[in-house]
Amino acid sequence: NAGVMQNPRHLVRRRGQEARLRCSPMKGHSHVYWYRQLPEEGLKFMVYLQKENIIDESGMPKERFSAEFPKEGPSILRIQQVVRGDSAAYFCASSPGQSGNTIYFGEGSWLTVV
Amino acid sequence: AQTVTQSQPEMSVQEAETVTLSCTYDTSESDYYLFWYKQPPSRQMILVIRQEAYKQQNATENRFSVNFQKAAKSFSLKISDSQLGDAAMYFCAYRTLYSGGGADGLTFGKGTHLIIQP
Repeated sequence: NAGVMQNPRHLVRRRGQEARLRCSPMKGHSHVYWYRQLPEEGLKFMVYLQKENIIDESGMPKERFSAEFPKEGPSILRIQQVVRGDSAAYFCASSPGQSGNTIYFGEGSWLTVV
Repeated sequence: AQTVTQSQPEMSVQEAETVTLSCTYDTSESDYYLFWYKQPPSRQMILVIRQEAYKQQNATENRFSVNFQKAAKSFSLKISDSQLGDAAMYFCAYRTLYSGGGADGLTFGKGTHLIIQP
């Protein structure tokens, strides 16, 4: 049973470009979460999605960031017009649903903005 | 909103010894879940152990065990017989029991960097 799959693992973007990070949840998991980890810090919640629905985006920056989890295909975290401060590790996680179930993490995508 | 505090930025232990990592949290909820995750140099987040707040018995996974003090809102992780492979950042995390209305993810502490001395 494959785990949470994220790609790309490493992404380099110039300032002003767009970054797209993809996440395929574990088989059978319908809930996806995105977290951001800045250097030397813990993970900060960004957004929680179920298929075709954003449930909680309270951790998402108001501008330039968006997320989706379509009916078919992976979840996408999109960052438009990237700036140096967006450089971070972005972790996707999934769970089968129902609060309390363990959340399993992918290996992360490292975004570097140059 | 819930908060999780890890007061030890760094801990060091001799190989084969026992070490305890501290975690406290703040919540108004009576039922919830607590987790410890390990992040080795590879940066992957690995689940170490999980505790349901309604269970009085402390969770144990091989060399890892917790001391869950609900009244004190304390959730420490004990690692016995420390091994070099235990070297990592350790994050304590809280998850609400009640779904719906958002805030369904994990709230993390800032982490404790565990160093294993050979």
